[in-house]
Amino acid sequence: GDSVTQMEGPVTLSEEAFLTINCTYTATGYPSLFWYVQYPGEGLQLLLKATKADDKGSNKGFEATYRKETTSFHLEKGSVQVSDSAVYFCALTPVEGGSYIPTFGRGTSLIVHP
Amino acid sequence: ETGVTQTPRHLVMGMTNKKSLKCEQHLGHNAMYWYKQSAKKPLELMFVYSLEERVENNSVPSRFSPECPNSSHLFLHLHTLQPEDSALYLCASSQDLGSTDTQYFGPGTRLTVL
Repeated sequence: GDSVTQMEGPVTLSEEAFLTINCTYTATGYPSLFWYVQYPGEGLQLLLKATKADDKGSNKGFEATYRKETTSFHLEKGSVQVSDSAVYFCALTPVEGGSYIPTFGRGTSLIVHP
Repeated sequence: ETGVTQTPRHLVMGMTNKKSLKCEQHLGHNAMYWYKQSAKKPLELMFVYSLEERVENNSVPSRFSPECPNSSHLFLHLHTLQPEDSALYLCASSQDLGSTDTQYFGPGTRLTVL
């Protein structure tokens, strides 16, 4: 079945540091890929998404590129802020098999210190 | 504010109680979901409804009973729960069950079973 693997957390950074959170997936065909973010005490919300190979999703300074050849969708940000501290979830939705039920990774906690 | 509301936000119940969680979406979406989020575990998809029909039931114990009376409302009825059912219960909606559809999450209900 489909699966999403994220790097283990927590990731701890100082403010203005460069962020990478790795995400790889297993799925047939070309799934849609998503990053969701969960701030403390809240539900998940969409950060960015890409629906076909080589697409780049971007939002709030975060970027991720859909790499079919490496089945990856790594999240990056050039300069993190304390307010970026949250849990980040990589997810996919399949495009084959008639079932569009999403699969989520385990989440990666990010802690940014001033 | 994601357009998905959940009540109550916090619930404490004994193992012999019966309670219900409510979710309402104001987005005109056709698909709704219940997830369970426990500490140190992946996000668990429990139920999926599309146009008020249940399309997914991920081997959830019968002490959890979903109800979708219309496309805007989703309930999770709880009875004779166990302490291990304590978790954050998240409701989500999406336009349809499409591969590119974004999920919109509510803030969750924090459930504690004594």
